[in-house]
Amino acid sequence: QVQLVQSGAEVKKPGASVKVSCKASGYTFTSYGISWVRQAPGQGLEWMGWISAYNGNTNYAQKLQGRVTMTTDTSTSTAYMELRSLRSDDTAVYYCARNPRGGETVDYWGQGTLVTVSS
Amino acid sequence: DVVMTQSPLSLPVTLGQPASISCRSSQSLVYSDGNTYLNWFQQRPGQSPRRLIYKVSNRDSGVPDRFSGSGSGTDFTLKISRVEAEDVGVYYCMQGTHWPPRLTFGGGTKVEIK
Repeated sequence: QVQLVQSGAEVKKPGASVKVSCKASGYTFTSYGISWVRQAPGQGLEWMGWISAYNGNTNYAQKLQGRVTMTTDTSTSTAYMELRSLRSDDTAVYYCARNPRGGETVDYWGQGTLVTVSS
Repeated sequence: DVVMTQSPLSLPVTLGQPASISCRSSQSLVYSDGNTYLNWFQQRPGQSPRRLIYKVSNRDSGVPDRFSGSGSGTDFTLKISRVEAEDVGVYYCMQGTHWPPRLTFGGGTKVEIK
């Protein structure tokens, strides 16, 4: 069965960076993309960006351009999301989700990773 | 950029009664291939989102048939024919038609039991 297992919770200081991992199993990793979605406490879902696990192409939300980098390691079927220059309003649960070919939907989600930014 | 607007924000429902959630997009969601890439997700308290519906009206595997999606163009609806206790949570619509550059979620509708 398809599974996306994310790394554990993180606490970071303002200005620091965080890197969240998402290990995929149960499907051919390189046949799909991975989107990252975040959810601030008590708020809705915000799409952050997408990476193709096939060729590494990326597409980031405009508001995060320059602060976010998404990568994949096909040898371990793992996707990564790094967010730099963290601010308090980056405090959120970060989810990875699988994009079927075409990218126009997400079907399976990881369990989420809480990133807390606090001095 | 396309904006997705859901209503109502909160929906108190009596068990066994129907519920209806509206989602409107600021631009048509009909893609050049003729498909409409409108999805619905359910997020139960403390859980990750789960896709219920894709391409307006296609239910995912394992989704009870009391959930149905409908609509076209810019106006879409998720209906629950008879609300059960396990349906409590927040429901989000999401467009994928205007991808790239982005996927866009609606603001969410919280379904609760009266």
